[in-house]
Amino acid sequence: AQKITQTQPGMFVQEKEAVTLDCTYDTSDPSYGLFWYKQPSSGEMIFLIYQGSYDQQNATEGRYSLNFQKARKSANLVISASQLGDSAMYFCAMREGLDSNYQLIWGAGTKLIIKP
Amino acid sequence: DAGVIQSPRHEVTEMGQEVTLRCKPISGHDYLFWYRQTMMRGLELLIYFNNNVPIDDSGMPEDRFSAKMPNASFSTLKIQPSEPRDSAVYFCASLGRRTNYGYTFGSGTRLTVV
Repeated sequence: AQKITQTQPGMFVQEKEAVTLDCTYDTSDPSYGLFWYKQPSSGEMIFLIYQGSYDQQNATEGRYSLNFQKARKSANLVISASQLGDSAMYFCAMREGLDSNYQLIWGAGTKLIIKP
Repeated sequence: DAGVIQSPRHEVTEMGQEVTLRCKPISGHDYLFWYRQTMMRGLELLIYFNNNVPIDDSGMPEDRFSAKMPNASFSTLKIQPSEPRDSAVYFCASLGRRTNYGYTFGSGTRLTVV
């Protein structure tokens, strides 16, 4: 079974609209972290936001927020007021067992294209 | 903070040649990871080190691949002999507390084997 599932291979969104990128995960470990990375066409991997399984509040970083629904095992990325520069691949990733495990499990990614 | 530094950015080589990719992690980071990214397989973890010691190399595709970390500030990934199917982007990343236990990635090396 997939540990990280990103169901949207691609999305087109009008500039200035909000965007939600879906991510569901599967783990039985109570201690885990969820990450979102952005990969623009230039190729670098850019860390966006992190959510820990014990965090009481949803993470936010500027225009990025993470809609964390623990019971549903979802960690959707929300981008407010999208910009042309947001066009990129977006990857969701999970790290299980935060005290002892240092590997990330990656989703397949969602290609986001922002239309002017 | 210079970030994770990889070299070269691009490498084109002929099949059968030896290829060496280099990585300098962020100072103070204890973990270093080598990834390969292709369209078909996505991001694959090849190997990772803790305090210069290889911890898990189960992702290394075959004996043609080897990785070393002789000190805390330098790592290499070597492919010998290279094959066209090794063409990919190779990323190095180090573990950074400032990203809440996520990785900081280098810019990657785009390898083309012809």
